[in-house]
Amino acid sequence: DTEVTQTPKHLVMGMTNKKSLKCEQHMGHRAMYWYKQKAKKPPELMFVYSYEKLSINESVPSRFSPECPNSSLLNLHLHALQPEDSALYLCASSQVKGEFQPQHFGDGTRLSIL
Amino acid sequence: RKEVEQDPGPFNVPEGATVAFNCTYSNSASQSFFWYRQDCRKEPKLLMSVYSSGNEDGRFTAQLNRASQYISLLIRDSKLSDSATYLCVVNYNNDMRFGAGTRLTVKP
Repeated sequence: DTEVTQTPKHLVMGMTNKKSLKCEQHMGHRAMYWYKQKAKKPPELMFVYSYEKLSINESVPSRFSPECPNSSLLNLHLHALQPEDSALYLCASSQVKGEFQPQHFGDGTRLSIL
Repeated sequence: RKEVEQDPGPFNVPEGATVAFNCTYSNSASQSFFWYRQDCRKEPKLLMSVYSSGNEDGRFTAQLNRASQYISLLIRDSKLSDSATYLCVVNYNNDMRFGAGTRLTVKP
């Protein structure tokens, strides 16, 4: 069982829909991440939150909107997505400081855009 | 040039073989390094952190060479269950960068 919980596990949506992906962790981690992973490719970093503030945005299109309401929750709001946005979306968390602080991943939301 | 480069393989080896993966990184200020394993349609799971002095965990040995900017993973006595994609990850200020992953298949 993963300590990072993502919901939903699967999501199918049309290009005009608005939906949200949710991520929750209770490990006391103060850094949280969103990644996008296409088949047979490594995860690509999208956003990093550090102490609930957005610290890294990897030039992600505005149709993806992250939100970190508190230290345990991370959301990714989706609107007007394109078919090429279909992918596995992974959330991860870690300690902010200190060496050798690995990320712990949720098992992802598999997103399909029709 | 990619920030983290990794031979994608695939590596197909018999059970019991020893196999080694390498990974190079471009940011000399990188602070920490990890190997993750990812099974098909699953999330990445931490295999081991990579310490400057090298470290071992059972059949797995990780090494770091900061001067040459590469990390390695050695798997001894391969098991069927080792079949997976192995991802090297390089961290700088919580900006985690993944290598492309090396696909390993261990055959009976």
